Amino acid sequence: GAGVSQSPSNKVTEKGKDVELRCDPISGHTALYWYRQSLGQGLEFLIYFQGNSAPDKSGLPSDRFSAERTGGSVSTLTIQRTQQEDSAVYLCASSLYWGSLNEQFFGPGTRLTVL
Amino acid sequence: QQQVKQSPQSLIVQKGGISIINCAYENTAFDYFPWYQQFPGKGPALLIAIRPDVSEKKEGRFTISFNKSAKQFSLHIMDSQPGDSATYFCAASTLTGNQFYFGTGTSLTVIP
Repeated sequence: GAGVSQSPSNKVTEKGKDVELRCDPISGHTALYWYRQSLGQGLEFLIYFQGNSAPDKSGLPSDRFSAERTGGSVSTLTIQRTQQEDSAVYLCASSLYWGSLNEQFFGPGTRLTVL
Repeated sequence: QQQVKQSPQSLIVQKGGISIINCAYENTAFDYFPWYQQFPGKGPALLIAIRPDVSEKKEGRFTISFNKSAKQFSLHIMDSQPGDSATYFCAASTLTGNQFYFGTGTSLTVIP
């Protein structure tokens, strides 16, 4: 079966523009996670969804970031008024159920460049 | 504040050698420690994981050593191969939690 897919694979935008990043999790996976990977910074946890619900949004870097998940499947991460410091690879992962022992399967990421 | 500290940042090993990557943590509530392997252009993939009730876990050429008292754990890659060249991330979490705290990654290059 297909793994986690993300689109676009690359996004170049101008400072101040809004961007939407899409994640298609593995079919049937109830949990979905967003991470940001910056050079030399490892993976920074942003938000997770259990079904369509995001119990904890405190990992989002600022109020310019938002995420939603519909139908227990596709998720979008929206960054409004992008800044140069938002440039990074945004990774999505899904797992069958929520909880640490459930293996997270990662997508290839979206590389965002803010000029 | 970095919850998990990883070293070295980069590592070059000869084929057949042993690669060792170290991680340290502060939060004693952590009780699940996975390692992820990431190839260029790909997302990370789970390699091996350990819980603190054991001091060592081995899967093929990959071994995790865990020192609970020192709050440290490490990944050993025996008989390193060029195909092992990738970035390796350690992580920590609580079993009841959903959030993983990742280290900053180690770029491993295995020279033929």
